[in-house]
Amino acid sequence: QVQLVQSGAEVKKPGASVKVSCKASGYSLTGYYIHWVRQAPGQGLEWMGWINPNGGGTSYAQKFQGRVTMTSDTSISTVYMELSRLRSDDTAVFYCARDDRLTGKIDYWGQGTLVTVSS
Amino acid sequence: QSALTQPPSASGSPGQSVTISCTGTSSDVGLYNYVSWYQQHPGKAPRFIIYEVTKRPSGVPDRFSGSKSGNTASLTVSGLQAEDEADYYCCSYAGNNRLIFGGGTKLTVL
Repeated sequence: QVQLVQSGAEVKKPGASVKVSCKASGYSLTGYYIHWVRQAPGQGLEWMGWINPNGGGTSYAQKFQGRVTMTSDTSISTVYMELSRLRSDDTAVFYCARDDRLTGKIDYWGQGTLVTVSS
Repeated sequence: QSALTQPPSASGSPGQSVTISCTGTSSDVGLYNYVSWYQQHPGKAPRFIIYEVTKRPSGVPDRFSGSKSGNTASLTVSGLQAEDEADYYCCSYAGNNRLIFGGGTKLTVL
């Protein structure tokens, strides 16, 4: 069955970077785009961007441009999201999720990774 | 770009129907038939319940239906059940390979 399994919770200091992984199983990673979505505590879903593991193409939301980097390693069916220059308001759960045509048909989601930014 | 506009809350009694709106612009909801809806229970990842405005993935009960008129999409939940109590989010393709989510609606089953 299709699964997206994310790395565990992280605690970071302001100004640091965090790299979250998302390992796909049950399907071919290169057949789908992977979105990253942020959800701050008690808040809604916020689209951060996507990566196409088939070639590595990316597109980032303007809000995160310059701070986010999405990469993939197809040899281990894993994609990564790195967010730099962390601030306290980056404290959130980060989800990876797959989409076959970039139309928002996001059919499988990872379990989420809590990133806490605190001094 | 601002989030799509959803009412913060909605409610209904068991067995009733409730409709949640999602208002965007002529550059997203109004332009593309790529509106999807997600259900999220507390502490859980979102679950995919509607895509391309009206289509339901396999396994999603036909009590959930979607529609669109102009710049506003809607999700209707018929025959409300206790397990439908959750947060609901709309999402639209916004052109230039971008997506945009709504702010979310908390559905309470009275």
